[in-house]
Amino acid sequence: TQLLEQSPQFLSIQEGENLTVYCNSSSVFSSLQWYRQEPGEGPVLLVTVVTGGEVKKLKRLTFQFGDARKDSSLHITAAQPGDTGLYLCAGHTGTASKLTFGTGTRLQVTL
Amino acid sequence: DAGITQSPRHKVTETGTPVTLRCHQTENHRYMYWYRQDPGHGLRLIHYSYGVKDTDKGEVSDGYSVSRSKTEDFLLTLESATSSQTSVYFCAISDGRSGNTIYFGEGSWLTVV
Repeated sequence: TQLLEQSPQFLSIQEGENLTVYCNSSSVFSSLQWYRQEPGEGPVLLVTVVTGGEVKKLKRLTFQFGDARKDSSLHITAAQPGDTGLYLCAGHTGTASKLTFGTGTRLQVTL
Repeated sequence: DAGITQSPRHKVTETGTPVTLRCHQTENHRYMYWYRQDPGHGLRLIHYSYGVKDTDKGEVSDGYSVSRSKTEDFLLTLESATSSQTSVYFCAISDGRSGNTIYFGEGSWLTVV
């Protein structure tokens, strides 16, 4: 079983602060995705990174895929209350289109 | 939003009873999945399907069975529900392309008492 470990598990910050969430594995993934999940809903895809070293930006969110394609990070600049939610990374190994999910990082942004 | 409908959305059942959760999609996607989500474990794959009548086990398949008789429907059955199967169950679909984007349903909350 391929494991994806996320850190931190919980993060409570004030509006305007910056934060970074990490997703690490000993396995190599062909692609890695980040999802955000809000209470009572299913996860929603934020981004997919495919190439080692790739950096993608989505407004205030910056996603990076490690050079060896084993890890990834999500950086949020100037967090806002609307960023509150559960952030999940998920790795794809190319086998039957299955994804392995990390344990998640629960982010709370307060005013 | 991807056209995924899960039913029932909430259910309370007694230990030992059979339970079936239904996932219906309108996207004609090839792949369908059932995940369960529990605190501290994230999302774990129960079973998945790569076509009509083609299914395979995920990492936590014990106690669960699935069936896919039509492209649009994927059923998850708990033959004899146990308290350890109390969880939130998510159906998901994918066309296997587009960077392997997986779209999730809204979840089914199951409580086994």
